[in-house]
Amino acid sequence: KQEVTQIPAALSVPEGENLVLNCSFTDSAIYNLQWFRQDPGKGLTSLLLIQSSQREQTSGRLNASLDKSSGRSTLYIAASQPGDSATYLCAVRPGDYKLSFGAGTTVTVRA
Amino acid sequence: DGGITQSPKYLFRKEGQNVTLSCEQNLNHDAMYWYRQDPGQGLRLIYYSQIVNDFQKGDIAEGYSVSREKKESFPLTVTSAQKNPTAFYLCASTPLGQLPSYGYTFGSGTRLTVV
Repeated sequence: KQEVTQIPAALSVPEGENLVLNCSFTDSAIYNLQWFRQDPGKGLTSLLLIQSSQREQTSGRLNASLDKSSGRSTLYIAASQPGDSATYLCAVRPGDYKLSFGAGTTVTVRA
Repeated sequence: DGGITQSPKYLFRKEGQNVTLSCEQNLNHDAMYWYRQDPGQGLRLIYYSQIVNDFQKGDIAEGYSVSREKKESFPLTVTSAQKNPTAFYLCASTPLGQLPSYGYTFGSGTRLTVV
């Protein structure tokens, strides 16, 4: 069974600092990996999707990398802002269309 | 705009009562999912459906039931057999057959509280 781990569980940084969020998974046979953002009491918003054949994806200040062989993905957020405060979830998709989620990293960016 | 609509946003259930959570999508996605989210835990899969009139149990299906009579709709019923239903419920969808390039879309969630 696929196990997804996100470390740290919580992170607090001053505004302007770069954020590094980690995600590890136990089974490298995945189709893709998706990073989501969740604000308190809200649904999940997709940030980036990395296909299994890709090494990284970028969108604005966000960059996500994927190392399938070692079972790791990292989400980088450059020049953090208070509006980046949220919980970030990673999810891996195997061939059966059922996502496996990590428990998330809760980020606080201090103004 | 295409998306997933979940209703209601907040729902209160009395002991012994069945309640139904609505999930509607206009994305023309084949597969739909229900997840449960508890504080400090990852999302857990309750039920999923890849085609109309067919659905499969997820990891925590006990005490829940679903139907898929239309491609656009996948309602979840929380029955009185679910002893600890207080949680945040999320509906999601994804196209099938698109393989690695397509991801999941989520609704805005329903918060269910037992009173």
